[in-house]
Amino acid sequence: AQKITQTQPGMFVQEKEAVTLDCTYDTSDPSYGLFWYKQPSSGEMIFLIYQGSYDQQNATEGRYSLNFQKARKSANLVISASQLGDSAMYFCAMRDLSGGSYIPTFGRGTSLIVHP
Amino acid sequence: KAGVTQTPRYLIKTRGQQVTLSCSPISGHRSVSWYQQTPGQGLQFLFEYFSETQRNKGNFPGRFSGRQFSNSRSEMNVSTLELGDSALYLCASSLGAGGPNNEQFFGPGTRLTVL
Repeated sequence: AQKITQTQPGMFVQEKEAVTLDCTYDTSDPSYGLFWYKQPSSGEMIFLIYQGSYDQQNATEGRYSLNFQKARKSANLVISASQLGDSAMYFCAMRDLSGGSYIPTFGRGTSLIVHP
Repeated sequence: KAGVTQTPRYLIKTRGQQVTLSCSPISGHRSVSWYQQTPGQGLQFLFEYFSETQRNKGNFPGRFSGRQFSNSRSEMNVSTLELGDSALYLCASSLGAGGPNNEQFFGPGTRLTVL
């Protein structure tokens, strides 16, 4: 079974609008971390936001917020006020105690295109 | 503060050859991880080094190996290259290793093409 599932291969949004990128995860480990990364066409992965499994509040970083619903095992990324520079691939990732080590697992990504 | 650097940025090799990729982490970071990214398999974890010791290893054949030096710089080696090894190889550095909250900073990657 996929540990990280991103069901949206591609998303389109109008500039200045908000967009939600979906991510569901699967783990039986009570202690885990969830991450979102942005990968522009240049290839470099850029860290956006982190949510710990024990965090009571949803993480926020500037225009990025993570909608963490633990019971549903979902960790959706919300980008407010989209900008043209937000066009990129977005990856959801998780670190859990898999086989005794915190191995990171990445989803297949969502391609976001922001229209002017 | 300089970011993670990877050399070379682009590499073309032929099947059967071997290749060595280099990664210099952010100053002060002691952990380096390597990832392979392909259109078919996505982003997959190769291994993680901390203080010159391999801490974690992904599910890759023994042709893929790595090491870390005392200055935290890391190299990754792939022997007997196969066509399927063509990929973007990403290096990431972090202060520590392990744990669920290990924030990593990625380099620009090395794009390897195997002909």
